[in-house]
Amino acid sequence: KQEVTQIPAALSVPEGENLVLNCSFTDSAIYNLQWFRQDPGKGLTSLLLIQSSQREQTSGRLNASLDKSSGRSTLYIAASQPGDSATYLCAVNQAGTALIFGKGTTLSVSS
Amino acid sequence: NAGVTQTPKFQVLKTGQSMTLQCAQDMNHEYMSWYRQDPGMGLRLIHYSVGAGITDQGEVPNGYNVSRSTTEDFPLRLLSAAPSQTSVYFCASSYHVGASTEAFFGQGTRLTVV
Repeated sequence: KQEVTQIPAALSVPEGENLVLNCSFTDSAIYNLQWFRQDPGKGLTSLLLIQSSQREQTSGRLNASLDKSSGRSTLYIAASQPGDSATYLCAVNQAGTALIFGKGTTLSVSS
Repeated sequence: NAGVTQTPKFQVLKTGQSMTLQCAQDMNHEYMSWYRQDPGMGLRLIHYSVGAGITDQGEVPNGYNVSRSTTEDFPLRLLSAAPSQTSVYFCASSYHVGASTEAFFGQGTRLTVV
């Protein structure tokens, strides 16, 4: 059974710092991996989608990498801002039927 | 461009009552699914559908029913609400099952069962 783990569970950083969020999964047979952002009391906003054949994707200050063979993905956030404070979720798409989520990393960026 | 729309946003039910959570998407997506999100548990799959007329159970299906009569709509029915069903419910859709496509989520329904 696929399991997705996100470390750390919570992270506090000062504004301007570069940071890395980690996601690991136990079964490498995935279609893709998707990173989401969730603000308190809100829905999930898709940040980046990495196909199984890709190594990384970039959007603005965000860069996500995927190492399928080792079952790892990282989300790199450059020059963090208070507006980046949110919970970040990673999810793997396995067998094309459902997303399996990690429990998230809650990020707090202080000004 | 509405995307995935869930109604209602908030609901309070008494134990034993029934209700339907609505989900609609306007992107002509084949695949739709329902998740519940609980503190410390993450998002867990309740039911999913790979197309109109086809549904299947996810990880936590007990106490919930679904149907998919149209491509656009995927309602989730609570037959007899229990306090354990207090949660935030999210509906999601993606273009094609079996293909590597992006999933889109609704804004959620916060349900409290008293």
